[in-house]
Amino acid sequence: EIVMTQSPATLSVSPGERATLSCRASQSVNSNLAWYQQKPGQAPRLLIYVASTRATGIPARFSGSGSGTEFTLTISSLQSEDFAVYYCQQYNNWWTFGQGTKVEIK
Amino acid sequence: QVQLVQSGGGVVQPGGSLRLSCAASGFTFSSYGMHWVRQAPGKVLEWVAFIEYDGSNLYYADSVKGRFTISRDNSKNTLYLQMNSLRPEDTAVYYCAKGGVPTARARWFDPWGQGTLVTVSS
Repeated sequence: EIVMTQSPATLSVSPGERATLSCRASQSVNSNLAWYQQKPGQAPRLLIYVASTRATGIPARFSGSGSGTEFTLTISSLQSEDFAVYYCQQYNNWWTFGQGTKVEIK
Repeated sequence: QVQLVQSGGGVVQPGGSLRLSCAASGFTFSSYGMHWVRQAPGKVLEWVAFIEYDGSNLYYADSVKGRFTISRDNSKNTLYLQMNSLRPEDTAVYYCAKGGVPTARARWFDPWGQGTLVTVSS
């Protein structure tokens, strides 16, 4: 099983600042990586797929990068609606999720 | 728009059974693989099961293999998860999700259903 490790567990950021979230795979997943946003009481929402492609309707302030085992989700200027938990997921070999990064208001 | 509406769930005793449903609309259901994913309270997301677009292949997480059965009725645009021999550790919110690309297996999930809570407790 491919293990996905996200860091940090919690990120405290002020509105308007940049947030950088990391995701590491235990073995190469090529570019078969997605990012999801989950708010309390809601289902996850797809943000990014194929490591760097924004899903339909996702604002340009969200960007993804990386390949192989190291990936990054960047939110360029945090808005109030962006405070949530973010999960990475690999779909190269079955489907596994990271443990999540909570982005909270500083 | 693409929509997945879930039903079923509830409280069941250990060893009991439950069936979840996921009604799809807004896309050609018969062209997409479908998944079930669960999230225990305060825990991370866990993939549970996948069914190919035509029902030809089924895949399960080891934690549910032999107890859960995923199925679909393409004439009714509906996905199912039959859960038998339920255990307290199966307590979670269960989500259905659509595969990202028609007929493909290894893809992202988009969108997700609203989720339904399954509680296994005596």
